[in-house]
Amino acid sequence: DAGVTQSPTHLIKTRGQQVTLRCSPISGHKSVSWYQQVLGQGPQFIFQYYEKEERGRGNFPDRFSARQFPNYSSELNVNALLLGDSALYLCASSQGAANQPQHFGDGTRLSIL
Amino acid sequence: DQQVKQNSPSLSVQEGRISILNCDYTNSMFDYFLWYKKYPAEGPTFLISISSIKDKNEDGRFTVFLNKSAKHLSLHIVPSQPGDSAVYFCAASAGTGNQFYFGTGTSLTVIP
Repeated sequence: DAGVTQSPTHLIKTRGQQVTLRCSPISGHKSVSWYQQVLGQGPQFIFQYYEKEERGRGNFPDRFSARQFPNYSSELNVNALLLGDSALYLCASSQGAANQPQHFGDGTRLSIL
Repeated sequence: DQQVKQNSPSLSVQEGRISILNCDYTNSMFDYFLWYKKYPAEGPTFLISISSIKDKNEDGRFTVFLNKSAKHLSLHIVPSQPGDSAVYFCAASAGTGNQFYFGTGTSLTVIP
């Protein structure tokens, strides 16, 4: 069975640009969550979507947005990129909305110049 | 505000011995806990979970212990193998959400 897939694997942008990251969950999983991981830290929660509705939002500015599609795939958008947005962006999927193990993709490495 | 803490950045253990990784949390509302293993250039891999209604959960060589009064959990790996060398993260969530708070990780090295 295919795991969580994320695209692209690497991305280089400049300050002020916009970026869209994509995630396909494990088949049968209806929940997708997004995390940001900077070097030396653990993943930090950005969003959770379940059945195409936002179920949680972390402490990130409004420049960050996301959505989930009818096939349960998801996109994370970041506008007006800052140098501090350079990080590994991880997508995780789970079957249900709560108290479920999350299974992660290998992430998108975003570098801002 | 770090609600989940892993105070040991690194740990070295001889092959065949027990590895004990520790995690502390501050939020008494946390009721579901996970451990992940992460290799370089890969996403975290789920290892084992525990609900707050239990104090122990086992899966093969991996056992997680939860001490709710101390707000502490630990992961025991017995016996440790060189392939276990990785960064280990603990994570916690509260209530009806699947929003997980992660620790900063412990890098485990198993010496052959």
